Amino acid sequence: AQRVTQPEKLLSVFKGAPVELKCNYSYSGSPELFWYVQYSRQRLQLLLRHISRESIKGFTADLNKGETSFHLKKPFAQEEDSAMYYCALTAGGGFKTIFGAGTRLFVKA
Amino acid sequence: GAGVSQSPSNKVTEKGKDVELRCDPISGHTALYWYRQSLGQGLEFLIYFQGNSAPDKSGLPSDRFSAERTGGSVSTLTIQRTQQEDSAVYLCASSPRPGIQYGYTFGSGTRLTVV
Repeated sequence: AQRVTQPEKLLSVFKGAPVELKCNYSYSGSPELFWYVQYSRQRLQLLLRHISRESIKGFTADLNKGETSFHLKKPFAQEEDSAMYYCALTAGGGFKTIFGAGTRLFVKA
Repeated sequence: GAGVSQSPSNKVTEKGKDVELRCDPISGHTALYWYRQSLGQGLEFLIYFQGNSAPDKSGLPSDRFSAERTGGSVSTLTIQRTQQEDSAVYLCASSPRPGIQYGYTFGSGTRLTVV
């Protein structure tokens, strides 16, 4: 069965510090993995997808199939990064996407 | 429309009553998804539509939940005989075609409170 685990419900870091939001998944096939973000009083929106190998707002995420992880990283956190972050997985070609429970990131001044 | 529109934005209902939640997707988006967001539970998949048909209803929690989509556009999620555990934010998303690789656009959600 597909499963996405985000072990941290809350992550608090100081501005300028590196940040890593952990995501582990369980899926026997080739997954497609994504990070979504929800800022305060805004809609859930796509942040980045592993297939694009992109950097958005300074965030990157690398798919590690050996460790079944897709951790989200940023070298220098900013206050505006404070938000709820969700890791999501869908099977290749599938239409059912599984989301993790989310990690709330709080960047302190 | 310019975005995914959901109504009402907030709904308070008494236990046992029926509720209807509406989603108006982006014009031209053929795929539509319903999720439920509960505190500490992440987003729970409910149902997915391709056009007017629902190939995957596996996420509906019970037979009190049903959804339909008409004209390949607006979708309604109906919860009958609401229970307190139904309290959550119900999110709708649409995409140009099925599959998240096309990117989901989410609505702002309907916050349902069952008292």
